[in-house]
Amino acid sequence: DVKVTQSSRYLVKRTGEKVFLECVQDMDHENMFWYRQDPGLGLRLIYFSYDVKMKEKGDIPEGYSVSREKKERFSLILESASTNQTSMYLCASSLRGGSTDTQYFGPGTRLTVL
Amino acid sequence: AQKVTQAQTEISVVEKEDVTLDCVYETRDTTYYLFWYKQPPSGELVFLIRRNSFDEQNEISGRYSWNFQKSTSSFNFTITASQVVDSAVYFCALSEAGGANSKLTFGKGITLSVRP
Repeated sequence: DVKVTQSSRYLVKRTGEKVFLECVQDMDHENMFWYRQDPGLGLRLIYFSYDVKMKEKGDIPEGYSVSREKKERFSLILESASTNQTSMYLCASSLRGGSTDTQYFGPGTRLTVL
Repeated sequence: AQKVTQAQTEISVVEKEDVTLDCVYETRDTTYYLFWYKQPPSGELVFLIRRNSFDEQNEISGRYSWNFQKSTSSFNFTITASQVVDSAVYFCALSEAGGANSKLTFGKGITLSVRP
């Protein structure tokens, strides 16, 4: 079974803090993705990576950066957290083939920025 | 641009009823992939099915079945004899076969409540 884990289920941070969200997959998948989910807006793609050290902007990359130093790990970084970044963050991975291959999701991190 | 519409936002049924969740998609590509995911209250999206545009055969998996109709650009999901554990948000998603930069587009989701 594919296993995608995220470092925290719940996180509370203060405005202006630097926030790291970590995602690890154990199935040697090439592609990894970060989404945020908000009521009424559905899932929106922030960044994705199709190889180590590679990254591509998604639909809403502003205010975020990512890092992929190892194949199994994909980090989402909020350089200076703001209240409008309060959201559910979901990480996913897929074997290959961009988004045509099945994406498997982690349990999510519910981030609150005060 | 690709688009997924899930017109139903909330559905409430009584246990053992059958329920159909609608999904309509838009794409200009002839090759694309459709997905359904389930998101229970715990929050994790659970993969249910992946279907490519060349396979219009309907699929059945236990109480779940999917009806793919290219003529109406629909990929509907039916739960037979619903159970309380089926209560969740269900997402339909579409990906065009655009190589490494292809993106998965989700519908807004349908909240299904199954009452005992």
